[in-house]
Formats: sequence, C-alpha cells, structure tokens
Amino acid sequence: QQQVKQSPQSLIVQKGGISIINCAYENTAFDYFPWYQQFPGKGPALLIAIRPDVSEKKEGRFTISFNKSAKQFSLHIMDSQPGDSATYFCAAATHGIDKLIFGTGTRLQVFP
Amino acid sequence: DAGVTQSPTHLIKTRGQQVTLRCSPKSGHDTVSWYQQALGQGPQFIFQYYEEEERQRGNFPDRFSGHQFPNYSSELNVNALLLGDSALYLCASSKWWGQVYTGELFFGEGSRLTVL
Repeated sequence: QQQVKQSPQSLIVQKGGISIINCAYENTAFDYFPWYQQFPGKGPALLIAIRPDVSEKKEGRFTISFNKSAKQFSLHIMDSQPGDSATYFCAAATHGIDKLIFGTGTRLQVFP
Repeated sequence: DAGVTQSPTHLIKTRGQQVTLRCSPKSGHDTVSWYQQALGQGPQFIFQYYEEEERQRGNFPDRFSGHQFPNYSSELNVNALLLGDSALYLCASSKWWGQVYTGELFFGEGSRLTVL
C-alpha cells in the first residue's frame, strides 16, 4: 500500500512533442504528490508538485493532472526539448510523515 | 551558497566490510534524510535526523545506522556489506522537519557504493 507505480519505464519523444508519464497509488493517506527530475550524476530536484484539492497544476511547459477517485496522477511536458532528457520520478508523501515514497522512474529521451 | 555536499562520490568495498558516507546539509538547514537508490529504481527512504536524533526510519535493517553532529552534518554507516547494498546513497536536507510537504527538500549528488 506504500507503493507508487510509475509508467512507462522509458519514453522517446521528438523535439516539440508531448511527453506523458503516469503514476498510480493505493494509500489514500497520501496528500502530496511531487515530481522530481534527475540528470545523470546529479541528485533529484523538485520539478512541480500538487495537492489533492486541485485536479491540475501548470508551471510553464510542465503540467500535473490529478485524478483523486482513480488514485492516479500524471506529468505532461509540452513542447519537449532535448534539455528535458532526464529521469523523472513521481513521488507521494503524507502530511506529518516527512518522507517521500518514489516511483521507479521514467527515462525520457527527447531527440531533435 | 553551497548546496548539499556528499563524500565520497564513489567507493568500492567488498562483502562484509563496513562503510561510512558523509553529508553536509545546505546552509541554514538542520534536518538530514538519507535515501538509497538502486540502479534503475527510485530512491528509498532510509532514515531522518533532526537535533542529533533519528526521527523516523524506513524499512532498512539495523546494519544501516547514522549519526548527526552538532553542526548538522550527518554520517550513514553500513555494516556487514552485502552485494545488494550496491547503490547510490542520497542525502537530502531541509530546514526543520516537515519540509517534504513544502518542497523545500534538497538532494545532494550522492555517493555511489559498489560492493564486490
């Protein structure tokens, strides 16, 4: 019940295309859903996050869509750029429990 | 402003040995969390230190232990190393407890441990 399932494992997108990564969870106590971006040799960095009181959050080219009833959330990267090539992790946390539960990651490659 | 710094960046050990990894939190931060990231996997929470005490722990055996010093820096110790301990060990720091929820959690670049 503590797992966060992420798909796909890898994704290849052409420059200018839309990248979509999906995550699902079981634990209804989760109330914070961040996405982290990790470049090779670097630690994860927070990209964007959402709380379950909203269904969508947009920051620039990055959008999180959240479906509370389905217990699913997704990351959409619009106008994907080669610089977006990285591994993306969804995660979840519960207020009062100060730790992140990460998905297994999606390796995104954007080709020019 | 230095971010989270970890040392060493890479190290190789053999089964049964012990290892110590070090972390200096971002300036102004006083809480340190450790995560293990196996190859091709997401990071898994090991434990968190605040005020020199372990505040919470993930599902890791007692072979994994830690310490936090008065200057907020932290060490992760792993005894009796197993092949399965090979991973990237990430340190994350924040200003006080509860900052996962605010996004104010910053990761270092990690220490890559290889156990032969």
